[in-house]
Amino acid sequence: DGGITQSPKYLFRKEGQNVTLSCEQNLNHDAMYWYRQDPGQGLRLIYYSQIVNDFQKGDIAEGYSVSREKKESFPLTVTSAQKNPTAFYLCASSTGTRRAYEQYFGPGTRLTVT
Amino acid sequence: SQKIEQNSEALNIQEGKTATLTCNYTNYSPAYLQWYRQDPGRGPVFLLLIRENEKEKRKERLKVTFDTTLKQSLFHITASQPADSATYLCALDMRGNNRLAFGKGNQVVVIP
Repeated sequence: DGGITQSPKYLFRKEGQNVTLSCEQNLNHDAMYWYRQDPGQGLRLIYYSQIVNDFQKGDIAEGYSVSREKKESFPLTVTSAQKNPTAFYLCASSTGTRRAYEQYFGPGTRLTVT
Repeated sequence: SQKIEQNSEALNIQEGKTATLTCNYTNYSPAYLQWYRQDPGRGPVFLLLIRENEKEKRKERLKVTFDTTLKQSLFHITASQPADSATYLCALDMRGNNRLAFGKGNQVVVIP
């Protein structure tokens, strides 16, 4: 059963702590993405990766970090430097980036920082 | 500044009617435009992709148009059903490199 998994579904952290969100795909996709969604807002791109060991900043990368050591995995770390980390985080993947492809999204992780 | 505008008010529509959603954009020149469906608390699901040189695309009860002169895309759901109730997102791809800019989405409520 192919798809994207994100874990956990809900995550609670205290302010000042770093937290890592997991994203795994078994679709054999080259490209992976992280988005943030706030209530009543569109998805905003945090980071994306077109290939293993390479990634680029999106529109709101400050306070976040990523790694892409394996094709299947693209974890996102929300650092204590992120001023407003409470949000719904979505991971996505696509076949590639050389032309337009549909993006497949995971179920999301809702992060609450207090 | 760049903007992608979708109607913030929910569209309430009677079952069986056609729902029409609008996506307007300014200061973008997208090569592609995509539409996604999002249910509450879940990730978006891809519906349709249309290229700048295409006027219209169809998939089952869904139809998308793309007018680069008006800077507008219309999304139609014909013969709407209660199961079509969701939020629909438009997304612009400027260079065909899959880096998408999303609108805020437009909620559709289909009334039985």
